[in-house]
Amino acid sequence: DTGVSQDPRHKITKRGQNVTFRCDPISEHNRLYWYRQTLGQGPEFLTYFQNEAQLEKSRLLSDRFSAERPKGSFSTLEIQRTEQGDSAMYLCASSELAGMGLLVYEQYFGPGTRLTVT
Amino acid sequence: KQEVTQIPAALSVPEGENLVLNCSFTDSAIYNLQWFRQDPGKGLTSLLLIQSSQREQTSGRLNASLDKSSGRSTLYIAASQPGDSATYLCAVRPSAGNTGKLIFGQGTTLQVKP
Repeated sequence: DTGVSQDPRHKITKRGQNVTFRCDPISEHNRLYWYRQTLGQGPEFLTYFQNEAQLEKSRLLSDRFSAERPKGSFSTLEIQRTEQGDSAMYLCASSELAGMGLLVYEQYFGPGTRLTVT
Repeated sequence: KQEVTQIPAALSVPEGENLVLNCSFTDSAIYNLQWFRQDPGKGLTSLLLIQSSQREQTSGRLNASLDKSSGRSTLYIAASQPGDSATYLCAVRPSAGNTGKLIFGQGTTLQVKP
């Protein structure tokens, strides 16, 4: 397995357009996370899935954002009616399911999708 | 609210020097702390993960320590090389609220000069 993959790597779109990003996690990982990173800042959490269930969403995830993981494998993140403030690197990560009260596994990140809204 | 701070924001050292990067967090209720490396325009590479019950982890020239009670972690890099030049990020996973998220600092950008 080659790690977490994301597609596309770069996306340039005009304000008001919809965009969709895809993330393929490491195959045996049950958990999948989305983060957003703007220039000079650390990543900020958006949402995460355990299998196909979306368990947590950040307040950053406005109504224009939606994420899915329909079969518990790959995930998509869609942004509707993009705004210039959406320009950022969108990072996906995956991890094994944490055991009950046991070790919590590390998150492995993909290469990211760089979104530029003009 | 958990906040993570990294100091300094940028660091420049000559090749061969040993160095320490600092990370502090405001709430000691964490499951673990993870150190990452990020090259310009790239994703994050996990370097070390320290569980809340551990004091340190080592990998090659890297050593990370955790003092949960004081809310601090350090990443020690021995015998720095130009290839170590990158941004280093620390992140904590809070144990409150059964969250899966990591909370990141803003990173320390390291330049190792040949």
